[in-house]
Amino acid sequence: RKEVEQDPGPFNVPEGATVAFNCTYSNSASQSFFWYRQDCRKEPKLLMSVYSSGNEDGRFTAQLNRASQYISLLIRDSKLSDSATYLCVALYSSASKIIFGSGTRLSIRP
Amino acid sequence: DAGVTQSPTHLIKTRGQQVTLRCSPKSGHDTVSWYQQALGQGPQFIFQYYEEEERQRGNFPDRFSGHQFPNYSSELNVNALLLGDSALYLCASSLGGAGTGELFFGEGSRLTVL
Repeated sequence: RKEVEQDPGPFNVPEGATVAFNCTYSNSASQSFFWYRQDCRKEPKLLMSVYSSGNEDGRFTAQLNRASQYISLLIRDSKLSDSATYLCVALYSSASKIIFGSGTRLSIRP
Repeated sequence: DAGVTQSPTHLIKTRGQQVTLRCSPKSGHDTVSWYQQALGQGPQFIFQYYEEEERQRGNFPDRFSGHQFPNYSSELNVNALLLGDSALYLCASSLGGAGTGELFFGEGSRLTVL
């Protein structure tokens, strides 16, 4: 079983829609979580950190549920420019290791 | 402020050959991690270098080795190349090991093994 698992998608939604991705992790020693965004044929870039209390950055909301070991990302009022692959990431500080999920592809249509 | 730079950007090798990829971390960063990303997959952790030592390693064979220099730049070496080694190799820099989890990636070196 992969340490970080995501639905690969693709998610194909109309502009303006709300879309949500989930990600599950298997190692409870995971300490911190993040969402990265990767555009086609580009490098991944940090989108946002994920806090237990939930956090919001504009149209993006991230949630962490440690009891169920899953992380979510909600995108409201989606834009064409949101089309990308979204990577769920777990940090194991004790092991100094950062593990990526396989990514969820999102395509926003006009 | 220079970001993460990698070289070469593209290269083609044949099976059995050896390859060396290079990375210069973002200014002020002291940690370099290497990832392999196959088409349609997320980045797979190869190893991390901090203070010129390999600190952590993912599930990659010994054919994959690396080095970090005193100026924090790093090399990834792959020996006895296999077709399955064809991928995008990403270098990511950070401060103080895994640090806060924020990684800055280079644009990658795309390796094709024929």
